[in-house]
Parts: sequence; structure tokens; C-alpha cells
Amino acid sequence: NAGVTQTPKFQVLKTGQSMTLQCAQDMNHEYMSWYRQDPGMGLRLIHYSVGAGITDQGEVPNGYNVSRSTTEDFPLRLLSAAPSQTSVYFCASSYMPGTVNSPLHFGNGTRLTVT
Amino acid sequence: GQNIDQPTEMTATEGAIVQINCTYQTSGFNGLFWYQQHAGEAPTFLSYNVLDGLEEKGRFSSFLSRSKGYSYLLLKELQMKDSASYLCAVRDEGNNRLAFGKGNQVVVIP
Repeated sequence: NAGVTQTPKFQVLKTGQSMTLQCAQDMNHEYMSWYRQDPGMGLRLIHYSVGAGITDQGEVPNGYNVSRSTTEDFPLRLLSAAPSQTSVYFCASSYMPGTVNSPLHFGNGTRLTVT
Repeated sequence: GQNIDQPTEMTATEGAIVQINCTYQTSGFNGLFWYQQHAGEAPTFLSYNVLDGLEEKGRFSSFLSRSKGYSYLLLKELQMKDSASYLCAVRDEGNNRLAFGKGNQVVVIP
């Protein structure tokens, strides 16, 4: 049981490049989400999904796309990277919110630098 | 929307007790979570409160008052490994989003 797996762990991009951050979970969780974490800002929600085929925007969605074609996978796409997207990105999953004690389980993070 | 406020940093001595406070404002409340995050690592779940009162899990306890929009995390018998950031997160009832505070850095000294 691997939990939440994120790849890559580190990435350096040039401004304007695109890339996909991968996230997979093997806990059969319906709910998946992406956060970014910046110094002094805390964790901010980018996008989330309550099940396959369903996605919604979080607090800071601009510049990012997501899709949820399967229960297990929730990739995050940067369309045209900008230095403001330099951050640590965390994918997290849980059973459906509203079920008793459904905490988020986090991946180990992707450290992205955009130059 | 949600607004979550936590103090930024505190220092405590090994073996002591420390209380970390969290105040929040939300249009619809559906649970409050506490997470621990060591530097360079992912957050890990500590405790969950959805009803008023105290939840105890070993050395960690968490308290919730929904009417006051207030929670605290109590760390007892502090150990050096407890040096970390402690994150308070509130779930919104309407959209199920989990919003995090900025975290409280606890430094444990010998």
C-alpha cells in the first residue's frame, strides 16, 4: 500500500514551458486535491475532485489544469510556467468529506522552480 | 469563504506543555483538522474535531468550540521530535474544501 505517490520530486522549468505533475493513490479515495505551499502563505488549494470525471477550482486555480479520468490518478498541468509558480506542490486524497474522520493523506511533494 | 488565524512561532522546553491556538471564520463548518509538518516533509494528520469538546490521542489533545470559532492543540511531555509546524485546517460544509491556516512553528529546546 503506497498511499499517495507524487512524481517528480524536483523539477526546474524555464518560463513558458509546460509540464504535468503526476499524482496517484491506491486507497480507493474519492476525493483528491492539489495544494501549493509558499513561505508565509500556508497551503493553498489549487483544484480538487470528488470523483472520476468531476473537478472543481480551489483558491488559486489560474495557470493550472486538472483532469480525473480514473479514481486513482489526478494529474496537475502547468500550461505555461511562470516564476510565480515556483513552489512546493502537494497532492492529497481522502474518503469523501462528510464521512466520519476523513483526513487528507498527503504525497511527499514536488519542489518546482521556474526560472 | 474561510479565514483561519494561527500565531506564527513559539519556543518551548523539552518535557513542557504547549498550547497552539486556531481561530476561524467560515460560512459553513464541517470539521477541523490538525496536522504536523516537519521541515521539508509532507503534512501528517494528528486529530479531528467536528463536535464541541476535547479529543485526546496520547500526548496530543485537540479542543473545539464551534460557537467561538476556536480550537487548540495541546502537546504534552514535549519531545525534541515535536519541533515542527502545526497546521489547523477547516472544512467548508458547502463545497467540502479544506482550508489551511499558515501554521504555527514550534521549536523545542533542551
